[in-house]
Amino acid sequence: GAVVSQHPSRVICKSGTSVKIECRSLDFQATTMFWYRQFPKKSLMLMATSNEGSKATYEQGVEKDKFLINHASLTLSTLTVTSAHPEDSSFYICSVSSGDTEAFFGQGTRLTVV
Amino acid sequence: AQTVTQSQPEMSVQEAETVTLSCTYDTSESDYYLFWYKQPPSRQMILVIRQEAYKQQNATENRFSVNFQKAAKSFSLKISDSQLGDAAMYFCAYRRYSGAGSYQLTFGKGTKLSVIP
Repeated sequence: GAVVSQHPSRVICKSGTSVKIECRSLDFQATTMFWYRQFPKKSLMLMATSNEGSKATYEQGVEKDKFLINHASLTLSTLTVTSAHPEDSSFYICSVSSGDTEAFFGQGTRLTVV
Repeated sequence: AQTVTQSQPEMSVQEAETVTLSCTYDTSESDYYLFWYKQPPSRQMILVIRQEAYKQQNATENRFSVNFQKAAKSFSLKISDSQLGDAAMYFCAYRRYSGAGSYQLTFGKGTKLSVIP
């Protein structure tokens, strides 16, 4: 399967600052990338879907101005949490796919906002 | 909207024994894919097995097999000869076409599997 590298794996930031999470598909041309949020002991909740070169499609209830997603190339997508607050602390996971291939997941990023 | 239900928040199994994890889903579509993912403590999502809805034959991957009942919208996972490394969260997922050439996954709430030595 594809190798998906997510960076950083852990990040701590101060309340009010912004933090960027990268998702790189190392050996796979990902036309579609997904961003999920996972609360402790909970399931994965889809935040947004992005197709390369297009604006991301956000799920209902997800603030697009707070969670900025950029999918500039077939191998890189970024999620920027702007003006982070403690309630944004969570585990964020990206996944990649192309057409109807299976989804490949990054190892996740644990964000803690203090 | 598609929903995926896993009714067992936690399960346990003795090492070397067999365990079955349940999953039901709701959809009005006839062609779709179903998946079981494993999430160990490392939090890395690992694909365990997949099933194409148009295939009647149940998928099998080594010690992992599914019981796919399309009419009942049921998709259970059987783990045979359980090993300590099988301990993890298991998520059932439904995949649907979401437009623009992409497919989305909807996950169940997960079942935490413990393996007792």
